[in-house]
Amino acid sequence: KAGVTQTPRYLIKTRGQQVTLSCSPISGHRSVSWYQQTPGQGLQFLFEYFSETQRNKGNFPGRFSGRQFSNSRSEMNVSTLELGDSALYLCASSFNRGLNEQFFGPGTRLTVL
Amino acid sequence: AQKITQTQPGMFVQEKEAVTLDCTYDTSDPSYGLFWYKQPSSGEMIFLIYQGSYDQQNATEGRYSLNFQKARKSANLVISASQLGDSAMYFCAMRGGGGQSGGSNYKLTFGKGTLLTVNP
Repeated sequence: KAGVTQTPRYLIKTRGQQVTLSCSPISGHRSVSWYQQTPGQGLQFLFEYFSETQRNKGNFPGRFSGRQFSNSRSEMNVSTLELGDSALYLCASSFNRGLNEQFFGPGTRLTVL
Repeated sequence: AQKITQTQPGMFVQEKEAVTLDCTYDTSDPSYGLFWYKQPSSGEMIFLIYQGSYDQQNATEGRYSLNFQKARKSANLVISASQLGDSAMYFCAMRGGGGQSGGSNYKLTFGKGTLLTVNP
């Protein structure tokens, strides 16, 4: 069974640009969550999607958005990039909401210059 | 609100010895799950072990076991017979079970991690 896949793996952008990251969950998993990891703030929750609906949102500005498609694949978008958005963005999938284990993808490392 | 505390920024262990990584948590949810993840330098978060708050027995997965002490709100990870490949960052995390929060606590809350180095 294939794991969680994320594309692209690495990305370099400049301030003010926008970026879209993609996540394909494990087959059969319906819940997708996104996390941002930085050296200073650690791992922080961005949002959770289930059945194409955002169910949970972390404490991030509106420049961060996402969506989920009918096949459970998810995308997140960051507009008007800032230097502080440089981070490892991790996507995690689980079969259902609640206490199921979350399995992570390899991440997308975003660098904003 | 949920909180995870990992008080050991770094740990060293000799190959083939056992090591315990500490984790304490705080939550008002009656139902919750505790997780340990391993993150090598490549960045990928690897799921290691899960313990549910109502599980009577401590979870075990191969060389990994979780020492769950509910009254003390601790969920320490024990790695037996350490290997060089165990060198990585280890994160303790918690996920709520819904309840009165209406599902807003389904997110994973992570500790700051412990960097484990296994010496030959």
